[in-house]
Amino acid sequence: AQSVTQLGSHVSVSEGALVLLRCNYSSSVPPYLFWYVQYPNQGLQLLLKYTSAATLVKGINGFEAEFKKSETSFHLTKPSAHMSDAAEYFCAVSGGGGTSYGKLTFGQGTILTVHP
Amino acid sequence: DSGVTQTPKHLITATGQRVTLRCSPRSGDLSVYWYQQSLDQGLQFLIQYYNGEERAKGNILERFSAQQFPDLHSELNLSSLELGDSALYFCASSLGTASSSPLHFGNGTRLTVT
Repeated sequence: AQSVTQLGSHVSVSEGALVLLRCNYSSSVPPYLFWYVQYPNQGLQLLLKYTSAATLVKGINGFEAEFKKSETSFHLTKPSAHMSDAAEYFCAVSGGGGTSYGKLTFGQGTILTVHP
Repeated sequence: DSGVTQTPKHLITATGQRVTLRCSPRSGDLSVYWYQQSLDQGLQFLIQYYNGEERAKGNILERFSAQQFPDLHSELNLSSLELGDSALYFCASSLGTASSSPLHFGNGTRLTVT
């Protein structure tokens, strides 16, 4: 079965610093990968997705992620953190063998805190 | 705004009761997914419907059931509620069943069982 592991349940950075949120996937075949963000009392919003077109994927709000098959990773980065980036981030996987019918399997989430 | 509408936003009820959560998908989306989010379990997939038919089942308890109606809205029914059912329940929709299609989430229904 496919799964994702997010390394670090909490990440704290200073405003203006690099943001790096880690995600590793487990799948027997190349999957589709997604990053979502959840702000307090809101639903999940799609940041970006990898669907095999390009290994470096650019998303909204200045975020990007790089698919590395050799490392089975899909880490999320942003060069300069902003206070408004404080939220919980989820990595998710779909497809990758089996019959998923489009459902997503989520990681446990990483809470990003941004200090002034 | 994702275009997915969930009602009610909050629900407080007692143990043993039954509740119904409602979801209207984005215009044009045929697939509806239900997820449960709790502190200890994270985001758990419950069930998926596509164009009125059940397509995939996840960690959904027998006390829970769902359906998708001809107008494509969906309802999640939770019965014989227990304290542990307190959670945030999300509905999401997508165009079809392709694994490459992202899911669009509603803002959730927060269920509190007392």
